[in-house]
Amino acid sequence: QKEVEQNSGPLSVPEGAIASLNCTYSDRGSQSFFWYRQYSGKSPELIMFIYSNGDKEDGRFTAQLNKASQYVSLLIRDSQPSDSATYLCAVRATSGTYKYIFGTGTRLKVLA
Amino acid sequence: GAGVSQSPSNKVTEKGKDVELRCDPISGHTALYWYRQSLGQGLEFLIYFQGNSAPDKSGLPSDRFSAERTGGSVSTLTIQRTQQEDSAVYLCASSLGVGREQYFGPGTRLTVT
Repeated sequence: QKEVEQNSGPLSVPEGAIASLNCTYSDRGSQSFFWYRQYSGKSPELIMFIYSNGDKEDGRFTAQLNKASQYVSLLIRDSQPSDSATYLCAVRATSGTYKYIFGTGTRLKVLA
Repeated sequence: GAGVSQSPSNKVTEKGKDVELRCDPISGHTALYWYRQSLGQGLEFLIYFQGNSAPDKSGLPSDRFSAERTGGSVSTLTIQRTQQEDSAVYLCASSLGVGREQYFGPGTRLTVT
C-alpha cells in the first residue's frame, strides 16, 4: 500500500469551476500536510499547508483535512487555465523521522 | 528575499564520472532536504540535514551517493561513478525547521550519457 495516494488524473474542469483534488495517507499519526503545484519542467511550489482538522482558506485555495478518515483535499475555486499543473500532496512522516512522503501527483487541466 | 538556489542548472556527464551538485538554502533555514525526480515520476527522498544533528541518509540509493552540509548552510550532493539510471532532476528544499513547509530550488537536471 502506497503511503500517500493521489489519483493521477488528468482531472479536467472548465474555467471558472471548482477543482477538487484528493489525497489519502496511511500513517494515522501524521501531523503535517502540504500541497505543492508543479508546472511541467519546473520545481514544486508550495500552495498550502495544514496541520489541524477542518478547512484552511487562502485566496482561491482551500485545504481540508480529516484525520479520522486520513484524507486531505485541495479545492481551487474559480479555476483558471494558469492553474493547469500537477498538484503534489505531501505528508510529514512520523516514527522518529522528519521525512516528507510525496504522492505522485494529480494532473489538473483547466479548459478555457 | 532570495529563495533556494542550486547549481548547476544542467549537467551532462559521461558514465563513470563523479559529479557534485550544490544547494544554497534560504538564509535562516535550518533544515535542508535533497530529492530526486525522474521523468514523469514522484519525488524520491534522498537525505535531510537538520542543524547540527546527524543527517538522515536513509533515502540514498547506493553508497555512490553522499552529501554534506558545511557550516549549517550550503550543501553538496556527490554522485560517484555515475550510471545512466542516475539521470534525473535533483531537487533541494529548505525549511525553517523539520516538519515545517519546504521551499524548493529550481533543481539540477543531470544527464548521464
